[in-house]
Amino acid sequence: ILNVEQSPQSLHVQEGDSTNFTCSFPSSNFYALHWYRWETAKSPEALFVMTLNGDEKKKGRISATLNTKEGYSYLYIKGSQPEDSATYLCALTYGQNFVFGPGTRLSVLP
Amino acid sequence: GAGVSQSPSNKVTEKGKDVELRCDPISGHTALYWYRQSLGQGLEFLIYFQGNSAPDKSGLPSDRFSAERTGGSVSTLTIQRTQQEDSAVYLCASSSLWAGEQYFGPGTRLTVT
Repeated sequence: ILNVEQSPQSLHVQEGDSTNFTCSFPSSNFYALHWYRWETAKSPEALFVMTLNGDEKKKGRISATLNTKEGYSYLYIKGSQPEDSATYLCALTYGQNFVFGPGTRLSVLP
Repeated sequence: GAGVSQSPSNKVTEKGKDVELRCDPISGHTALYWYRQSLGQGLEFLIYFQGNSAPDKSGLPSDRFSAERTGGSVSTLTIQRTQQEDSAVYLCASSSLWAGEQYFGPGTRLTVT
């Protein structure tokens, strides 16, 4: 069973701080890497899907990079806001499988 | 509708009863996925459907779980002889292609007493 890891498990930052977290995965059999934001009492919301080594995606203050050769992806949030508070999930597609990491829980303090 | 819908939103059932959970994907989406989140756990992939192909059942936790997708659209997840460990939020998602961006429904919270 493929293991997708995320770090840190949780993170508290002050409003205005920039932050980043990591998703790591086995580099073999890679197909696609997804990032989702999951706010409490809501459904997961897709942020990015990346497939190519070196991919960089950006949506507003949030961006992500992908390194398939070494098996990691970074998610960056610039100038964190309280509304960014959520659990950020990465998920790996490989073969016929789809595996989520345990998530990083971000709390942005006003 | 514009998004993925699931029903019921909440279901309380007695241990040993069968339950059916329904998912209506976004129209035109060929891929449909079922996940569950047990208390304190992450998202667990259960099963997916791609078009009219036979589903990949490898993620189903036991033979009490089954799923079908009629006409390539609506899907039903059935849990037979429910157990307390089946209590979880069951999420459905759909995408326009396999491994594409997934759109999640609001989930069904299942409680087995």
